[in-house]
Amino acid sequence: AQSVTQPDIHITVSEGASLELRCNYSYGATPYLFWYVQSPGQGLQLLLKYFSGDTLVQGIKGFEAEFKRSQSSFNLRKPSVHWSDAAEYFCAVGAYGGSQGNLIFGKGTKLSVKP
Amino acid sequence: EPEVTQTPSHQVTQMGQEVILRCVPISNHLYFYWYRQILGQKVEFLVSFYNNEISEKSEIFDDQFSVERPDGSNFTLKIRSTKLEDSAMYFCASRPLPTTEAFFGQGTRLTVV
Repeated sequence: AQSVTQPDIHITVSEGASLELRCNYSYGATPYLFWYVQSPGQGLQLLLKYFSGDTLVQGIKGFEAEFKRSQSSFNLRKPSVHWSDAAEYFCAVGAYGGSQGNLIFGKGTKLSVKP
Repeated sequence: EPEVTQTPSHQVTQMGQEVILRCVPISNHLYFYWYRQILGQKVEFLVSFYNNEISEKSEIFDDQFSVERPDGSNFTLKIRSTKLEDSAMYFCASRPLPTTEAFFGQGTRLTVV
């Protein structure tokens, strides 16, 4: 079955520290992978995406993610966290082709940032 | 920058009532979606819509749900007889092509009392 696992429900890091949020997926076809961020009361904002090519992708707000096919992972990283990064982060996988394209989301990781 | 717009931002309705959630996708997009997020849970796919018909739907999208694109700009989700468990944040999304990412609206928080 297709699924996305985000093993960490809640992570707290200090401002200025590095961050890595884990994402593992199970998907039958070649996956398209995404990270979305949701601030409290807000919608889903795309941070970055992987469709093909270079397995290290850069996104907005200084985030990056690395696709590792052998580990079925797409972990999100940031070298130095800012207080404004406190939010919930969702990893998602999808297949794009034809008229379909629904995404399967993980349960999310809530990030808290200590001053 | 173009964005997906959803109205209202928050709707409270009584159990058994019909509700219509409205979305205006980005104008040149061809594929439309509804997702929902029950409080504290993950975002779940409900339905996709392309070329004026449903292309895929999840198990959640039962006969109580329907979608419509009544004109060239709006995309609506109707729940015929709301239940308490329909309380959730509902997200509309759209994308222009099969090989691009989906753009999400800000969501409509539906509270059924």
